[in-house]
Amino acid sequence: DTGVSQDPRHKITKRGQNVTFRCDPISEHNRLYWYRQTLGQGPEFLTYFQNEAQLEKSRLLSDRFSAERPKGSFSTLEIQRTEQGDSAMYLCASSSSLMGESTEAFFGQGTRLTVV
Amino acid sequence: GQNIDQPTEMTATEGAIVQINCTYQTSGFNGLFWYQQHAGEAPTFLSYNVLDGLEEKGRFSSFLSRSKGYSYLLLKELQMKDSASYLCAVRDWTQGNTPLVFGKGTRLSVIA
Repeated sequence: DTGVSQDPRHKITKRGQNVTFRCDPISEHNRLYWYRQTLGQGPEFLTYFQNEAQLEKSRLLSDRFSAERPKGSFSTLEIQRTEQGDSAMYLCASSSSLMGESTEAFFGQGTRLTVV
Repeated sequence: GQNIDQPTEMTATEGAIVQINCTYQTSGFNGLFWYQQHAGEAPTFLSYNVLDGLEEKGRFSSFLSRSKGYSYLLLKELQMKDSASYLCAVRDWTQGNTPLVFGKGTRLSVIA
């Protein structure tokens, strides 16, 4: 396993367009997280899945944001009607609940979104 | 809610020791993590503390005091490659327990 992979690595889009990002977690990990990170800030939690169930969503996640994990494996994050304020690095992370709460989350390289 | 504070920037000399502090306020503390993040890269796990005391792992150690809401990351024998952001993150069981809440990070510059 090569770790958490995200696609694309970079995305430039015009304001008002929709974008979709994909995350493939470490294969045996049942938990998957989406975070957003802007320059000089720490990652901000967006949403979390355990298997295919979306268990938590941050208040930061507006109605324009939706995430899915249909088969409990890969996940997609879609942003509709993008705004310039959506420009950020979108990080995906995964972990396993089977090892207990001390298990760290492993992060992907992120998708850098630029809205022009 | 949570409030996590770290210094924004620090500078230290190659070969020296540096301590990066983190204070936090949570409703239901359930573990503290330190991550390292090089510019443009993903955060990578460094350490985990849930009980009071010091956890040592090679050149890196992390300390926790739950009563004081305080942790530090200690880096010894600094190398140029240690120049990175260091992120303190807590798990809060009143916020669903599982997602980590991150501080803004401390940008460490190691100089010759």
